[in-house]
Amino acid sequence: QVQLVESGGGVVQPGRSLRLSCATSGFTFSDYGMHWVRQAPGKGLEWVAFIWYDGSDEYYVDSVKGRFTISRDDSKNTVYLQMNSLRVEDTAVYYCARTYGDYHPDSWGQGTLVTVSS
Amino acid sequence: EIVLTQSPAILSLSPGDRATLSCRASQSVSKYLAWYQHKPGQAPRLLIYDASNRATGIPARFSGSGSGTDFTLTISSLEPEDFAVYYCHQRNTWPPFTFGPGTKVDL
Repeated sequence: QVQLVESGGGVVQPGRSLRLSCATSGFTFSDYGMHWVRQAPGKGLEWVAFIWYDGSDEYYVDSVKGRFTISRDDSKNTVYLQMNSLRVEDTAVYYCARTYGDYHPDSWGQGTLVTVSS
Repeated sequence: EIVLTQSPAILSLSPGDRATLSCRASQSVSKYLAWYQHKPGQAPRLLIYDASNRATGIPARFSGSGSGTDFTLTISSLEPEDFAVYYCHQRNTWPPFTFGPGTKVDL
């Protein structure tokens, strides 16, 4: 069955970096675009980044542009989120989700917690 | 950026009740609106896509309607497992993809 498993979260100081991974299985990864979506404590869902199925383009919410980079490795069926210059307000559970084309994401992982704190 | 607003913020109901959740967009999103169910510690679950289509495996008690700027998610008869937070999400105009703030269906 379709599985998405995030990893790489943890506690990090402001200004430092972290790389999240989302390992997938149960579907043809190269056919799907991938999103990262986050949920800050006590808040709702916020879309963070999207990469097309072929890696041809990437998109970001304004608050992370220039700091976060989404990428994919089709040989490993994995999508990444490189997060640099982390801020306290980046503290959240980060979810990866797959999407066919630009359809609504239809399968999500369980999330990984990122805490940015001094 | 398209802003989605959801009402009410909290809906206090009992099993067997009918739940009606609303999502309004700041400008037309055509039919490109989805509904997700989210429980603490779990992955969000796609319920309805493109306004009125049930996702795979979603029970028939969940239905969606609307177009343009006004959308509704209806749960015809609440089951105990339906108590959760529900988000609407638009894909008509992006980036950014946007979510509503959520409606908590509370016991």
